[in-house]
Amino acid sequence: DQQVKQNSPSLSVQEGRISILNCDYTNSMFDYFLWYKKYPAEGPTFLISISSIKDKNEDGRFTVFLNKSAKHLSLHIVPSQPGDSAVYFCAQGAQKLVFGQGTRLTINP
Amino acid sequence: DTAVSQTPKYLVTQMGNDKSIKCEQNLGHDTMYWYKQDSKKFLKIMFSYNNKELIINETVPNRFSPKSPDKAHLNLHINSLELGDSAVYFCASSQGTFNEKLFFGSGTQLSVL
Repeated sequence: DQQVKQNSPSLSVQEGRISILNCDYTNSMFDYFLWYKKYPAEGPTFLISISSIKDKNEDGRFTVFLNKSAKHLSLHIVPSQPGDSAVYFCAQGAQKLVFGQGTRLTINP
Repeated sequence: DTAVSQTPKYLVTQMGNDKSIKCEQNLGHDTMYWYKQDSKKFLKIMFSYNNKELIINETVPNRFSPKSPDKAHLNLHINSLELGDSAVYFCASSQGTFNEKLFFGSGTQLSVL
């Protein structure tokens, strides 16, 4: 069974500080992971991805870390900005993407 | 130009009706999907088509019937709508079929009364 879990439904962070969003998965067979960002009334948009040959991938303010032994990945946003306030979904890919239930990130000025 | 566009954005209808949601992508992708976001906010795949061929068909009631007239279009027809069908439906596309980044439309909020 392929499950992806984001155990924190919400997170509030001060502007300029680091935001850390977490995600756990159950099935190690699928080795491609993605983070999506979603604003209200819009579709999810791709943010960053990582495959299991790496344990870190960086794109500007966004870094994704993959801990295969713990079946855990995290997204770091630094510094956090008000425009980062959105719902963040992690997903595990193969022939289909399986999504977590999302974490609502609020950046406070 | 919107990459993945779906219509309508909002759909309010009575139980028992039949309705369709249309999706078009101009990215030149070969694969298209329908995802459903339920009240608990999970995004779950329903169907996937690659070059007009159905490749993923999750456990979805057969009242839901996807149709892909060409690889740029994937429509979703729903018969005999039920209250539990109320959700946001997202269309998406990707270049290939494996370990792919998906591009999503803005969603169709379906409300069944």
